[in-house]
Amino acid sequence: EADIYQTPRYLVIGTGKKITLECSQTMGHDKMYWYQQDPGMELHLIHYSYGVNSTEKGDLSSESTVSRIRTEHFPLTLESARPSHTSQYLCASSDRTSGSPSTDTQYFGPGTRLTVL
Amino acid sequence: KNQVEQSPQSLIILEGKNCTLQCNYTVSPFSNLRWYKQDTGRGPVSLTIMTFSENTKSNGRYTATLDADTKQSSLHITASQLSDSASYICVVSDRGSTLGRLYFGRGTQLTVWP
Repeated sequence: EADIYQTPRYLVIGTGKKITLECSQTMGHDKMYWYQQDPGMELHLIHYSYGVNSTEKGDLSSESTVSRIRTEHFPLTLESARPSHTSQYLCASSDRTSGSPSTDTQYFGPGTRLTVL
Repeated sequence: KNQVEQSPQSLIILEGKNCTLQCNYTVSPFSNLRWYKQDTGRGPVSLTIMTFSENTKSNGRYTATLDADTKQSSLHITASQLSDSASYICVVSDRGSTLGRLYFGRGTQLTVWP
């Protein structure tokens, strides 16, 4: 079982609210990621970070923002939630299993199921 | 078009039976292929990882195969158990970028009945 945690696990909020999804890992991994996943669909990368003070946007455009002030913490924020943001959000972190970054193994958190009414 | 296609989309089998899940990909240049298991409401958990030079890898009752020439992979589950009910996701990584981009399939939803 990976030591990566997400809170809350479930969140139901109204349109226009500001929310922050928390993600923390105790494995000392430098790389962290946020994915969005709709039912029956593939995961889409929305943000990633190589380390402290490093954040990049992923393949899927997202109105959310992230920060990486500490190695173990990678929160995701939505300034004004909308129904289109309803989805499952998965956080992951990775180590280096070999010399190539493409063989990093990603460990996933349990996810946050967000519903915006 | 998704660069990782999985079949079948869903599968129902009886406990104790074997099954095989398929993954076809077009990702290039290829680096490695992973199979993940995702229980409902949980994050994916890695089962196997195979690089270009590996054509089979086992993890308990799970055996993955890879044919890099035809760009196909399969995950064989032996003597299925109720706890095998989950979504099985094929993930292919390229080596064309520093990040090692991951391409996710949509998964095969496996249900094991008693």
